[in-house]
Amino acid sequence: NAGVTQTPKFQVLKTGQSMTLQCAQDMNHEYMSWYRQDPGMGLRLIHYSVGAGITDQGEVPNGYNVSRSTTEDFPLRLLSAAPSQTSVYFCASTPSGPTNEKLFFGSGTQLSVL
Amino acid sequence: DQQVKQNSPSLSVQEGRISILNCDYTNSMFDYFLWYKKYPAEGPTFLISISSIKDKNEDGRFTVFLNKSAKHLSLHIVPSQPGDSAVYFCAAIEGGADGLTFGKGTHLIIQP
Repeated sequence: NAGVTQTPKFQVLKTGQSMTLQCAQDMNHEYMSWYRQDPGMGLRLIHYSVGAGITDQGEVPNGYNVSRSTTEDFPLRLLSAAPSQTSVYFCASTPSGPTNEKLFFGSGTQLSVL
Repeated sequence: DQQVKQNSPSLSVQEGRISILNCDYTNSMFDYFLWYKKYPAEGPTFLISISSIKDKNEDGRFTVFLNKSAKHLSLHIVPSQPGDSAVYFCAAIEGGADGLTFGKGTHLIIQP
């Protein structure tokens, strides 16, 4: 049982480039989410999904797009990367939602935008 | 405005002693609280949680205390072990919210 898998682990981009951070879970969880962690700050919610075909914005959604075509996958897209998006990104899932349930996190993607 | 505050960026404790990590919150609507542990280059892993209807929850060496009137919770680790050296995040959520609100974390260092 792999849990939550994120790829790549590390990525360096130039300003203006686009890329997709991949997230997959094999636990049949309905709820998936993306957080970013910046130095000296807690994790902040970017986007989340409560099921296939349903996505919504979190606290810091600007500059990111998401889609949820299957239960297993929840990719995060950066359309035009900016240095302010340099961060560590974590994908997390839970069976039905974050209320009263623990989140299962992936190991993270460290992104640097030059 | 930070709704979950961990005011100690780091804490050093001797092996075998008690580690106490503190967390304060400002949103009185929070009704579920969690502690996560994070090692370098890994994702956070769930440690222990507590509902607002309780004031204490234990799991082995880990105990979380909740003082709702003071809007304060603490994580006690007894006895502290070298493998406990990690960053600990306090998190909170109110019913129906989109996701967790995290504190900035406390780096716990267990010294031999």
